[in-house]
Amino acid sequence: EVQLVESGGGLGQPGGSLRVSCAASGFIFSNCAMSWVRQAPGKGLEWVSVISGSGNSRDYADSVKGRFTISRDNSKNTLYLQMNSLRAEDTAEYYCAKSRTVTKGPDAFDMWGQGTMVIVSS
Amino acid sequence: DIQMTQSPSTVSASVGDRVSITCRASQNINNWLAWYQQKPGKAPKLLIYKSSSLESGVPSRFSGSGSGTEFTLTISGLQPDDFATYYCQQYKNYSPRLTFGGGTKVEIK
Repeated sequence: EVQLVESGGGLGQPGGSLRVSCAASGFIFSNCAMSWVRQAPGKGLEWVSVISGSGNSRDYADSVKGRFTISRDNSKNTLYLQMNSLRAEDTAEYYCAKSRTVTKGPDAFDMWGQGTMVIVSS
Repeated sequence: DIQMTQSPSTVSASVGDRVSITCRASQNINNWLAWYQQKPGKAPKLLIYKSSSLESGVPSRFSGSGSGTEFTLTISGLQPDDFATYYCQQYKNYSPRLTFGGGTKVEIK
């Protein structure tokens, strides 16, 4: 069964750091680009970042560029998002999402984790 | 930056109704468009990719159409399980970002 399970959310201080993780199973993790998508309470979906299957290529939304870092460990089938310089507007449910095909380019997301909540507040 | 505009923001409908949701892109995205369904407290679920291709396991009452800048998701014969929020997403470019529409809530009339 294809499964994505996020962890690591919680309360972060403004200006502080948090790292969220996504454990993948049921598919060849290293073949697939993976993204983080977030959703602020009561709001719509916002794409945050993507990393290629090999980990060699990454891209970020302007809202997080320079503050967040996406990475992956293919030996552990795990995706990460390191979030630094946190702001109140980073408060959201963070989902990891799997690209539908093995294309190197942008793609639809055919599998999503259950999400992990990040709250930024003092 | 490609903006995605969904309409309406809310639609009230009854079981058995035909419902159509529109998504407009601010520039040509060919057919690089997906539709998702999201229920409260749950992750989004892929329904349609490449504008009109039905994801495996999704009921055939869901269909997508369009290309370029205008797209439509149609639910033919609304079922109780279909009351949810629907999002479109363009995936022509990562840069500056993949973008989602603002969402359309399908509620019970």
